[in-house]
Amino acid sequence: AQTVTQSQPEMSVQEAETVTLSCTYDTSESDYYLFWYKQPPSRQMILVIRQEAYKQQNATENRFSVNFQKAAKSFSLKISDSQLGDAAMYFCAYDLQGAQKLVFGQGTRLTINP
Amino acid sequence: DTEVTQTPKHLVMGMTNKKSLKCEQHMGHRAMYWYKQKAKKPPELMFVYSYEKLSINESVPSRFSPECPNSSLLNLHLHALQPEDSALYLCASSHEPGDDQPQHFGDGTRLSIL
Repeated sequence: AQTVTQSQPEMSVQEAETVTLSCTYDTSESDYYLFWYKQPPSRQMILVIRQEAYKQQNATENRFSVNFQKAAKSFSLKISDSQLGDAAMYFCAYDLQGAQKLVFGQGTRLTINP
Repeated sequence: DTEVTQTPKHLVMGMTNKKSLKCEQHMGHRAMYWYKQKAKKPPELMFVYSYEKLSINESVPSRFSPECPNSSLLNLHLHALQPEDSALYLCASSHEPGDDQPQHFGDGTRLSIL
């Protein structure tokens, strides 16, 4: 079974600084997708970024970028120029191609200090 | 604004009550999902509907009964729930079943069982 591990239950960063959230996963499959979702106190799960496993190039979305290391099964999220609105719970998720099942990590609570 | 609308936002019910949660999307998505999320935990998949048919049931107790009347609407009927069923219930949708496009989540219904 696939598992996703986020080893940092909590992280904090000063506003405007850069922070990296860690995620590792375990799978024997070769075709899959990885996601980072954020969940602010408003409760809605919001997609931050998506990575296809077959793509070597790291995905980027404005201030958000990933470091995808397929051999190491690592998928970290870097947030640059942190803003107060980035404060949320961040979940890393794995999706085996065609399985329709998202496997989530335990989450990292990110606090932004003004 | 969320593109997946869930009602009600909050629900308090006794263990003998019957109630329903509603989820609606108008994005033309053909896959819809129910998740259960306990406090400080990641969402756990409950059910998946593909083209209005139940495709995945993650061994959910029968006191939870899903229904997909049409491609835009997903219901979760609740009956004889237990206190441990108190949680945030999230609905999500995605474009096509198995196409590995990101899931879009609603704001959730916070359910409390007395």
